[in-house]
Amino acid sequence: EDQVTQSPEALRLQEGESSSLNCSYTVSGLRGLFWYRQDPGKGPEFLFTLYSAGEEKEKERLKATLTKKESFLHITAPKPEDSATYLCAVPPGTGRRALTFGSGTRLQVQP
Amino acid sequence: SQTIHQWPATLVQPVGSPLSLECTVEGTSNPNLYWYRQAAGRGLQLLFYSVGIGQISSEVPQNLSASRPQDRQFILSSKKLLLSDSGFYLCAWSGSSFSNQPQHFGDGTRLSIL
Repeated sequence: EDQVTQSPEALRLQEGESSSLNCSYTVSGLRGLFWYRQDPGKGPEFLFTLYSAGEEKEKERLKATLTKKESFLHITAPKPEDSATYLCAVPPGTGRRALTFGSGTRLQVQP
Repeated sequence: SQTIHQWPATLVQPVGSPLSLECTVEGTSNPNLYWYRQAAGRGLQLLFYSVGIGQISSEVPQNLSASRPQDRQFILSSKKLLLSDSGFYLCAWSGSSFSNQPQHFGDGTRLSIL
């Protein structure tokens, strides 16, 4: 059974203070990994797909990286509008249909 | 570009009343469609998925049902709501291949049962 674990559970940063969020996974064959952002009361917003170890994707202040066992979401010089819950998920395995999500990291960026 | 719409955004219903939540997708054809429930402090639980009109698969036994009357329309229903049906319901779509494609979510419906 696929398992996805995110850490830390919550993170408070000052504006401009860079940091990284971790997503470790156990899957039967790497099929890729997704990062989402979820604002309170909203659905998850898709950010990135990473398909192979060593791959990197960037969007504004966010950069996602992937190894064979984990993924990192690096946040460079964050702003208050980056405050949200960040979720990672792995695609469904053979015969399954649901994404397997981690429990998320609640990020708060203070001005 | 593709967009997904869910309504209503919030709903308060008495126990035993019926339910109908609607989801539509624009800008794509023959999408896979999904209904998830997200409980506070817990992950997303897949309730139903659909690969085409009239084709519905249920992931968990429950008091809810789903229908897909049109290619890009997905409806979540109940004949009699239970207190345990309270939660945040999310509709999602993906391309017509299950593997390795992200699912894109709507903004959800917050359902409260009184």
